[in-house]
Amino acid sequence: DAEITQSPRHKITETGRQVTLACHQTWNHNNMFWYRQDLGHGLRLIHYSYGVHDTNKGEVSDGYSVSRSNTEDLPLTLESAASSQTSVYFCASSRDSRFGNEQFFGPGTRLTVL
Amino acid sequence: SQQGEEDPQALSIQEGENATMNCSYKTSINNLQWYRQNSGRGLVHLILIRSNEREKHSGRLRVTLDTSKKSSSLLITASRAADTASYFCATADYNQGGKLIFGQGTELSVKP
Repeated sequence: DAEITQSPRHKITETGRQVTLACHQTWNHNNMFWYRQDLGHGLRLIHYSYGVHDTNKGEVSDGYSVSRSNTEDLPLTLESAASSQTSVYFCASSRDSRFGNEQFFGPGTRLTVL
Repeated sequence: SQQGEEDPQALSIQEGENATMNCSYKTSINNLQWYRQNSGRGLVHLILIRSNEREKHSGRLRVTLDTSKKSSSLLITASRAADTASYFCATADYNQGGKLIFGQGTELSVKP
């Protein structure tokens, strides 16, 4: 069955370190998204991609970067982790807009920055 | 910024009762979607209603959409303890590509 996975599921790191969160989908979806979820803020879009070599900034992109070298993967990198980036991170994918934009979510990564 | 405003933020009911959650949005949309999130899990898509539809049903779920008022409601009938979760609305505007804008969610607690 097609799925979307994230790794690691839990990560503790120190301020200033570079961290990469992995997202892998086997739906063959062109669209992929990264969100962070914090109490009181709901889901906020960090970065998104509509295809290989395409990346776009979301509403809270500062301090984060992504790259899309193939259809299946969209890794999220925190260049220099900050305590404000402690959060739960979700990756999602979807087909093209004409199919309705329904998004399929991964299980999430809980990141703690000390 | 979050477009969807959900109401109420939290709802507690008894098993067997109906649960109604509301969502308001600000801009034009092509469709509105509802998602469920169980504690510690990712979001799961429940139902999608297009802008030219007024009502849609799926099992115990009933969604309405009023584009003139820019609002939607999700009704869960005959609720069960397993319906305990957070529910989010999300809007899609195809002019914005594949992005969805999520509301802040309603936390539903169904007591057995």
